[in-house]
Amino acid sequence: AQSVTQLGSHVSVSEGALVLLRCNYSSSVPPYLFWYVQYPNQGLQLLLKYTTGATLVKGINGFEAEFKKSETSFHLTKPSAHMSDAAEYFCAVSRMDSSYKLIFGSGTRLLVRP
Amino acid sequence: DSGVTQTPKHLITATGQRVTLRCSPRSGDLSVYWYQQSLDQGLQFLIQYYNGEERAKGNILERFSAQQFPDLHSELNLSSLELGDSALYFCASSVSGVTEAFFGQGTRLTVV
Repeated sequence: AQSVTQLGSHVSVSEGALVLLRCNYSSSVPPYLFWYVQYPNQGLQLLLKYTTGATLVKGINGFEAEFKKSETSFHLTKPSAHMSDAAEYFCAVSRMDSSYKLIFGSGTRLLVRP
Repeated sequence: DSGVTQTPKHLITATGQRVTLRCSPRSGDLSVYWYQQSLDQGLQFLIQYYNGEERAKGNILERFSAQQFPDLHSELNLSSLELGDSALYFCASSVSGVTEAFFGQGTRLTVV
């Protein structure tokens, strides 16, 4: 069975500081991995995805994530936080053999301090 | 704008009632997924339809059902509603063979 663990339900950073949101997955077959962002009272917006190929994936709004198979991790980073990055971030895993349904982590709320 | 439209945005109803949530997928997307987001359960996959047929089922209660119509829009029917069914219900759509799913804005259901 697949599962996703996001370490830290809340992460607080200063504006301009590095953002690091942690995600570890469990999957018996090669997974597809995603990061979604949810702003208040909004739906989920795809930030980036890893399916195959290059393990460093660049997404929108300056975010990137690296797939590390040996560590079963897919951590999300951004070099410099902006106030507008404050939101909830969800890591998700899916697999071709399970209809591509997304299994989500519990989410990490990012707070950005001025 | 993801291109996925969900109606209504908000719904308040009483326990024991039945409601229908509607989803119009992005143009060309054959696959529709329904998810429930609640404070205690997080984001949970409910059910998936592909081109009118049920493809996968998740943690969906027997009181809940869904269907996808020939024009590819989908409806999620929730019956005998309980207080615990209060949640945000999301629809997502994707193109067949592509893993990327686009989400609608959700329907916030409040059962009183």
